[in-house]
Amino acid sequence: DAGITQSPRHKVTETGTPVTLRCHQTENHRYMYWYRQDPGHGLRLIHYSYGVKDTDKGEVSDGYSVSRSKTEDFLLTLESATSSQTSVYFCAISDGGQPQHFGDGTRLSIL
Amino acid sequence: AQSVTQLDSHVSVSEGTPVLLRCNYSSSYSPSLFWYVQHPNKGLQLLLKYTSAATLVKGINGFEAEFKKSETSFHLTKPSAHMSDAAEYFCVVRNSGYSTLTFGKGTMLLVSP
Repeated sequence: DAGITQSPRHKVTETGTPVTLRCHQTENHRYMYWYRQDPGHGLRLIHYSYGVKDTDKGEVSDGYSVSRSKTEDFLLTLESATSSQTSVYFCAISDGGQPQHFGDGTRLSIL
Repeated sequence: AQSVTQLDSHVSVSEGTPVLLRCNYSSSYSPSLFWYVQHPNKGLQLLLKYTSAATLVKGINGFEAEFKKSETSFHLTKPSAHMSDAAEYFCVVRNSGYSTLTFGKGTMLLVSP
């Protein structure tokens, strides 16, 4: 796989707590993305980044924030987790016009 | 806006028989289209991509797809299914601008012995 590491791989937490997911790449790609995957919905884009400190919203950004202070790291934060944010989260990277490559995902359960 | 519609949520085949996974797209310009595969508890792997070169695109593991502009389709095929092909398949279109993607809802391929 392309050099993408997501952490943690699994997390269980309670409603109302903050959660941060990390995506780390070793490919020096410009673009990084966060998706969530839910049954019957495919993958939906949460936020993406087109450079350090440059981010934009995707289709389902409400309740999520992101930060990218270094090329290699893209953080996704749930400020106050809700049960509707229980999902599998995927990070992806790309180098402009090339296809996106995906990490192995983080399974997040919010009780 | 670009969109894709995967016409079947589940497809069942027997090992050794052909596979057809159907995808229609909607785009205001000549699209870039992809098929990704996801095995259980894994990330997504690129199978093949169409970027306005040859209309018949060959991918990994014996899969191919044909871009048909007149039918706005990009169906995925394989002549002979293998048990290891059992997975979920996503048809994807690239949006204009910063290389964001729009995913179809996925087709689960079931392969029986």
